[in-house]
Amino acid sequence: QQPVQSPQAVILREGEDAVINCSSSKALYSVHWYRQKHGEAPVFLMILLKGGEQKGHEKISASFNEKKQQSSLYLTASQLSYSGTYFCGTAPRTGANNLFFGTGTRLTVIP
Amino acid sequence: DGGITQSPKYLFRKEGQNVTLSCEQNLNHDAMYWYRQDPGQGLRLIYYSQIVNDFQKGDIAEGYSVSREKKESFPLTVTSAQKNPTAFYLCASSPVGGANNQPQHFGDGTRLSIL
Repeated sequence: QQPVQSPQAVILREGEDAVINCSSSKALYSVHWYRQKHGEAPVFLMILLKGGEQKGHEKISASFNEKKQQSSLYLTASQLSYSGTYFCGTAPRTGANNLFFGTGTRLTVIP
Repeated sequence: DGGITQSPKYLFRKEGQNVTLSCEQNLNHDAMYWYRQDPGQGLRLIYYSQIVNDFQKGDIAEGYSVSREKKESFPLTVTSAQKNPTAFYLCASSPVGGANNQPQHFGDGTRLSIL
């Protein structure tokens, strides 16, 4: 039930935009997004609970397409502080009451 | 400030030895989780607990054991049956309602290595 994230890695220059995708084979109740800096704990960014819902956190936003079982994370005008590994966590509509995390997308922002 | 405290930060295990990783939270969260993180594999769930004295196996529970005697504490024991324990272990908690609609708060992790 592990979701698939793409791309696996991306390098951006400051000010550029990026999109990270998360796709599941199961019907989803919610999608969570986290960012982890190297050697540190993952930090919660946002949860999307309804199909079509979009949320924002600073210049980072996300959408959730319930029908396609997909979510996308949008990073706009990237800053150096955005560097890290981004994980999506998916909660299935039925079954276990826990999250399944993707393998992550490593984002590097360079000056 | 509320948060999750994991200890120790680094741990070394000898062959045939059991080791216990500590996880304490003062967020008054009902649910707690243990994840294992290997390079390139994201986070995989070992065990989780939604209430005191109850816990469920995750995807990779073999070779691990847990207890939940207090709401604040959820220690993880890596037993000698776990043949490849080298990894970064993360503890997390979330408010009542479980993982589906509540954010998870993570500790700083314990890095376990074999001597």
